[in-house]
Amino acid sequence: AQKVTQAQTEISVVEKEDVTLDCVYETRDTTYYLFWYKQPPSGELVFLIRRNSFDEQNEISGRYSWNFQKSTSSFNFTITASQVVDSAVYFCALSEAGVASGSRLTFGEGTQLTVNP
Amino acid sequence: EPEVTQTPSHQVTQMGQEVILRCVPISNHLYFYWYRQILGQKVEFLVSFYNNEISEKSEIFDDQFSVERPDGSNFTLKIRSTKLEDSAMYFCASTLAVLSTDTQYFGPGTRLTVL
Repeated sequence: AQKVTQAQTEISVVEKEDVTLDCVYETRDTTYYLFWYKQPPSGELVFLIRRNSFDEQNEISGRYSWNFQKSTSSFNFTITASQVVDSAVYFCALSEAGVASGSRLTFGEGTQLTVNP
Repeated sequence: EPEVTQTPSHQVTQMGQEVILRCVPISNHLYFYWYRQILGQKVEFLVSFYNNEISEKSEIFDDQFSVERPDGSNFTLKIRSTKLEDSAMYFCASTLAVLSTDTQYFGPGTRLTVL
């Protein structure tokens, strides 16, 4: 069964600090997809990034970057130069690529990020 | 930019009543989903739907729940006899691809309160 663990329940930083959100996953599939979603106080779920299991190249997109390491089953997400508007709950999620397709997303518990001015 | 929409944004109902939550997925998307989030907890998968039938459901999705695509645009979740523990935020999502490789885009959610 698939599982996602976000060990950090809450993180508090001061504006302009860099912050890394940790995510560890478990899956028996060799092909899978990892996601980060943001849930601001307004409650909606906003897609941020997606990686597939056969591409470990780490990338930067604006102030966001991610570090995907299959060897440690980790998919960490970093926000550079954090801003108050980054304050939200961040969810890591996993999807296994099954034959039946339309595979469910399994979410972690979420990390509440608070960026203080 | 196309987006998933959900109505109502907030629904209050009495225990034992039936509720129907409505979603309009992104127009060219093929897979539809319902998830729920009990207050302060993680998001949990309920059901996925493709080609007018359920493709996968979780253990949460028991006989009290049903889904339907009554026309070419709407996707509904019905709870037949609500319980207090059904109080949660319900999210609809859709994805373009036939395979589970594409991103699921979520609607803004419907907050269901069962009294």
